[in-house]
Amino acid sequence: EVQLVESGGGLVKPGGSLRLSCAASGFTFSNYSITWVRQAPGKGLEWVSSISSSSSYIYYADSVKGRFTISRDNAKNSLDLQMKSLRAEDTAVYYCARAPGDKRAYDYWGQGTLVTVSS
Amino acid sequence: DIQMTQSPSTLSASVGDRVTITCRASQSISRWLAWYQQKPGKAPKLLIYKASILESGVPSRFSGSASGTEFTLTISSLQPDDFATYYCHHFNSFSRTFGQGTKLEIK
Repeated sequence: EVQLVESGGGLVKPGGSLRLSCAASGFTFSNYSITWVRQAPGKGLEWVSSISSSSSYIYYADSVKGRFTISRDNAKNSLDLQMKSLRAEDTAVYYCARAPGDKRAYDYWGQGTLVTVSS
Repeated sequence: DIQMTQSPSTLSASVGDRVTITCRASQSISRWLAWYQQKPGKAPKLLIYKASILESGVPSRFSGSASGTEFTLTISSLQPDDFATYYCHHFNSFSRTFGQGTKLEIK
């Protein structure tokens, strides 16, 4: 069974840092691009960042570029999102999702982890 | 950047109705358009990819179509489980864009 499990969310002050993780199982992790998508409370979905299967290609939304860093460890079947200089507008549920190249869509999602940026 | 304009933002319908949600791209995106369903407190669920291919396990009452830069999601006969929020999504090499969402409510 394909599973993606996020962790690392919590309450952080503006300007602070947080590291989210996504643990994958049930599929060959190294064969898939993975993406972070977030959803602010009561709002729609926002793509955050994507990383290709071998980490050769990395993309960020303009809203997080220069502040967030995505990385992966295929040996550990894990994905990280290092978030720095956090702002109130980064408050959201963060989801990791699998992105098969032939679909250009996200076919499996984690349950999400809540990040709250507040003083 | 490619913009995705989704409409309507809210749709009221009854069980058994046929409903259509539209997503318009700001430029040609070929058929690289997906549709997701999201229920409160849950992760989104992939329904359709490449504009019209039904994801495995998704009921056949869901269908997608494309005409130029306009894409539609149709639910042929609404079931109680279908009341949720729906998002379109475009994915290219450099960016990924979601539509604003359509909340499908019970009339």
